Amino acid sequence: GAVVSQHPSRVICKSGTSVKIECRSLDFQATTMFWYRQFPKQSLMLMATSNEGSKATYEQGVEKDKFLINHASLTLSTLTVTSAHPEDSSFYICSVLSGTSHNEQFFGPGTRLTVL
Amino acid sequence: GQNIDQPTEMTATEGAIVQINCTYQTSGFNGLFWYQQHAGEAPTFLSYNVLDGLEEKGRFSSFLSRSKGYSYLLLKELQMKDSASYLCAVMDSNYQLIWGAGTKLIIKP
Repeated sequence: GAVVSQHPSRVICKSGTSVKIECRSLDFQATTMFWYRQFPKQSLMLMATSNEGSKATYEQGVEKDKFLINHASLTLSTLTVTSAHPEDSSFYICSVLSGTSHNEQFFGPGTRLTVL
Repeated sequence: GQNIDQPTEMTATEGAIVQINCTYQTSGFNGLFWYQQHAGEAPTFLSYNVLDGLEEKGRFSSFLSRSKGYSYLLLKELQMKDSASYLCAVMDSNYQLIWGAGTKLIIKP
């Protein structure tokens, strides 16, 4: 299956700063990547679908100006949390959709964001 | 609306068998997935069912009935390392995954 990496794995920042999270598909060219957020003891919440070369598609309730997504190449998508606040503290996970039948989704290891 | 239901928590004994159920109502169906997620980690893929029936993979098996909107994940010969959350997800007609809230499985010695 596809190998997906994320960087950083853990980040602590001050309120008001911006944080960039990278998601890389190491062995697969991904035209589509997904960004999820997961709060403690809750399920994954899809934030947005990142499409290579075009604008991301955001889920309802997700502020596109706050969570900037850039899918500049077939192997890299970035999520930037702008002006982060403590309520943005969460586990952010990206995934890659592969397989001719779209039946395989591989997740990155996740990024733990803590905003002080 | 779209909905995935699975029990919040289950407890089982090491060496035993446990079945985790999942019922769904979605707009279209392009397969059902089971993922395992240990605390603080990303989910890992366990199984994919798109046709009715049972898929067996080692100690884990997954069953699907499309007419009933129902699936289960069967775990045999439980080990302590199987303590985790198990997420059921359905891919809808737009190839989007609809996630259940997850079932926390606690294994006791």
